[in-house]
Amino acid sequence: AQSVAQPEDQVNVAEGNPLTVKCTYSVSGNPYLFWYVQYPNRGLQFLLKYITGDNLVKGSYGFEAEFNKSQTSFHLKKPSALVSDSALYFCAVRAPNNAGNMLTFGGGTRLMVKP
Amino acid sequence: KAGVTQTPRYLIKTRGQQVTLSCSPISGHRSVSWYQQTPGQGLQFLFEYFSETQRNKGNFPGRFSGRQFSNSRSEMNVSTLELGDSALYLCASSLSSSKSTDTQYFGPGTRLTVL
Repeated sequence: AQSVAQPEDQVNVAEGNPLTVKCTYSVSGNPYLFWYVQYPNRGLQFLLKYITGDNLVKGSYGFEAEFNKSQTSFHLKKPSALVSDSALYFCAVRAPNNAGNMLTFGGGTRLMVKP
Repeated sequence: KAGVTQTPRYLIKTRGQQVTLSCSPISGHRSVSWYQQTPGQGLQFLFEYFSETQRNKGNFPGRFSGRQFSNSRSEMNVSTLELGDSALYLCASSLSSSKSTDTQYFGPGTRLTVL
């Protein structure tokens, strides 16, 4: 069975500083990895995904994530945080041998960007 | 293209009642998945439908059921509601089920409160 860990419940960063939201995973085989963001009273918005190829994946709103197979990690990064980036971030994994689209999510990390 | 739509957005029920939630996927998407989001358990997969067939099912009691129609719209039903069923129910759609690399796109959710 697959699992995802987001070790930080909350990350605080000042506006303009770089941000990192951590994610580690456990899955059999090569993983498919996703990041989503959730704003209050909204559903999840897709940010980016890693399927194969370049370990650095670029996504929406200036976010990127780096896949590290040896450390089983897929950390989300942004060079310069905005106050509007404050939200709940979820990392998710899907096993490649899954017949369907089921995602297993981490517990979420609340990002607080202060002016 | 319109996104995933869910109705109703908010629902209040009492214990023992049943409820039906509806989801309309993005046009052309044939796979629909349902997730439950609670503060304690996080995001948990309920089930996935493709071509009117349930393909994957999460670890939820039989009180939770769903179906998909020929136009890919989906409904989920919860019978004999319990207080613990209070949650945000999220629907997600994706293009197909044959490729597990597909991205799931989420609707805004239905907030169910059980009194």
